[in-house]
Amino acid sequence: DSGVTQTPKHLITATGQRVTLRCSPRSGDLSVYWYQQSLDQGLQFLIQYYNGEERAKGNILERFSAQQFPDLHSELNLSSLELGDSALYFCASSVKTSSYNEQFFGPGTRLTVL
Amino acid sequence: KNEVEQSPQNLTAQEGEFITINCSYSVGISALHWLQQHPGGGIVSLFMLSSGKKKHGRLIATINIQEKHSSLHITASHPRDSAVYICAFSQGGSEKLVFGKGTKLTVNP
Repeated sequence: DSGVTQTPKHLITATGQRVTLRCSPRSGDLSVYWYQQSLDQGLQFLIQYYNGEERAKGNILERFSAQQFPDLHSELNLSSLELGDSALYFCASSVKTSSYNEQFFGPGTRLTVL
Repeated sequence: KNEVEQSPQNLTAQEGEFITINCSYSVGISALHWLQQHPGGGIVSLFMLSSGKKKHGRLIATINIQEKHSSLHITASHPRDSAVYICAFSQGGSEKLVFGKGTKLTVNP
C-alpha cells in the first residue's frame, strides 16, 4: 500500500458525459501527478500540482482539467468524454518538487466510456 | 522515436532463472525509475537511481549514464515476479516521468 488513495476504482459512463476522479496523496506529500495509461499510448504524464498550484502540464486535452485543494487532495475532471478516453488514470505523489523524487502511485481509476 | 526503449517486450522464464531487462534512453536525465505493474494494474516504484547500482532483495538495478542505459536484474526468479516492468526517467527542471512501453515478464513454475 503506497498510501496514495484514488476513487472510484472503476467508472463506466457514456460518451459526452463528465466525470471527476479523486486522489488523496500520502500524508505529507505536497506534489500530485496525474498519468493516463491507454493501450495504444502507454503511460503518459497529464499534469502536476504542487501545494495547490499547477506546476507542469503534459499531454492533457483541453476537455480535461485538474485542481489541488487546500487539504492537498486533487481532482481530475474529464468532460465531453469520447471512446478514446477509456484508460487507467493514475495519480502519484511525492514529498516535494524535484526531479530526484521518488513518486508513489495510487491504485488507479479504470475509466470505461461506452 | 520513443525517448525510452525497453527490451525485450516480452520475456518468459522458468522459476529460478536470472532475468535481465534493459532500458535505453536518448536524452540527458536526472533520475531513472524502475516500476512494477501487476496484472491488477497497480504500479509500485522499485528503484530510483541516478548513478551506479542499487539492490533490494533479489532485485538489482544498474545505470550507465555515459551509455544512457539501465538494466534491471532479478535473481532466482519466482512466479510472483510475473508483472510488467516499466522504466521511466525524469529530467532536470521537470519532475514528470517519461515512460517506456514496459516489459511483460512471465515466470513459470
